[in-house]
Amino acid sequence: DTEVTQTPKHLVMGMTNKKSLKCEQHMGHRAMYWYKQKAKKPPELMFVYSYEKLSINESVPSRFSPECPNSSLLNLHLHALQPEDSALYLCASSQVGLEETQYFGPGTRLLVL
Amino acid sequence: GDSVTQMEGPVTLSEEAFLTINCTYTATGYPSLFWYVQYPGEGLQLLLKATKADDKGSNKGFEATYRKETTSFHLEKGSVQVSDSAVYFCALSGSGNTGKLIFGQGTTLQVKP
Repeated sequence: DTEVTQTPKHLVMGMTNKKSLKCEQHMGHRAMYWYKQKAKKPPELMFVYSYEKLSINESVPSRFSPECPNSSLLNLHLHALQPEDSALYLCASSQVGLEETQYFGPGTRLLVL
Repeated sequence: GDSVTQMEGPVTLSEEAFLTINCTYTATGYPSLFWYVQYPGEGLQLLLKATKADDKGSNKGFEATYRKETTSFHLEKGSVQVSDSAVYFCALSGSGNTGKLIFGQGTTLQVKP
């Protein structure tokens, strides 16, 4: 099974709201990723967790706060977002290693009003 | 730095036509190469991959061969279907990238009946 699940599927929030995106995998992967994808563009890496520790932060604004509570779960906490943060947020997971295949979830489509 | 270049889209084909989507890359070392497909409103799905020179990845009638001499990984399918309409992303990972995927810009394929 190569399934990564994400909730919610859609999210609408105001600029003063706090919300969280959730990602889960049960493939035994120890690397998990958050990507942001704008329409008609490739995904842009935001964060990488390796063995539940943050290993890469691609200079993402602090209004995005990742959390990896255990090896199967990855959260992205959102606060005081801007309309330009509206996008598809994708989670992925893989084995740890430089050339390991990443498996993506279906994404959460976020609209910030 | 590492990079991936894909042919510009959109590509419009009639059903049962032959498909080629060109992908070339620049990388240090020996990256793994991937094709991902994104259907409308969905996340990315791994279509195929190759991990070393001369490897051929294949899946669902799609094929791509890792050509080190031409630094290419072109995607081909002998007879496309309407259901193949999607955005196709070529990507690489490997040494020096700490597990990051480097994506091409994506190629939109539209297949007409």
